[in-house]
Amino acid sequence: DADVTQTPRNRITKTGKRIMLECSQTKGHDRMYWYRQDPGLGLRLIYYSFDVKDINKGEISDGYSVSRQAQAKFSLSLESAIPNQTALYFCATSDPDRSSFGELFFGEGSRLTVL
Amino acid sequence: AQSVTQPDIHITVSEGASLELRCNYSYGATPYLFWYVQSPGQGLQLLLKYFSGDTLVQGIKGFEAEFKRSQSSFNLRKPSVHWSDAAEYFCARRAAGSARQLTFGSGTQLTVLP
Repeated sequence: DADVTQTPRNRITKTGKRIMLECSQTKGHDRMYWYRQDPGLGLRLIYYSFDVKDINKGEISDGYSVSRQAQAKFSLSLESAIPNQTALYFCATSDPDRSSFGELFFGEGSRLTVL
Repeated sequence: AQSVTQPDIHITVSEGASLELRCNYSYGATPYLFWYVQSPGQGLQLLLKYFSGDTLVQGIKGFEAEFKRSQSSFNLRKPSVHWSDAAEYFCARRAAGSARQLTFGSGTQLTVLP
């Protein structure tokens, strides 16, 4: 089983609908992240969380919200989806230990299409 | 703002040929640098990372990267490319401070010809 699991892997929805992408991890890491990938733009950080009570906005948080339900679970919500939120979304975790250099461990991605 | 630039959007090489993927970063003290690979339909996998020490870093799958502070570069190399290396490659830099967020380049898509 994957260490970082994202559900759903694929989702097609309509403009205005509320969507939740879920992420769970078995790595025991405190730090979790949501990134968005668009062709030609690389990965951009949406939100990150260093523990259950610590949530921070990334560079492109507008239109998104998150919930850290437990150390192992971090959900991303689109309250009212719009077409330009069509993208591949990645959840990632990291270990705060200095020896890791901040390396990220990624899920397999959730492809979202907003019509 | 700290940034990472990958000048080549797409590179095509023949199987068995050598490969070099370019990465430049905006200068900052003690950069933490990474190369990730994304195979089709997969998440990102770490190839190698650099923080300090020997400027030539060995990674998985026969890849290596060389850190050159004078050129603000961290180019990825492989002496002989295999068809299975076809993927998208991302260079990333760890942001300064304690946040440990990674900033990614825009990626380089590698096509391998038989």
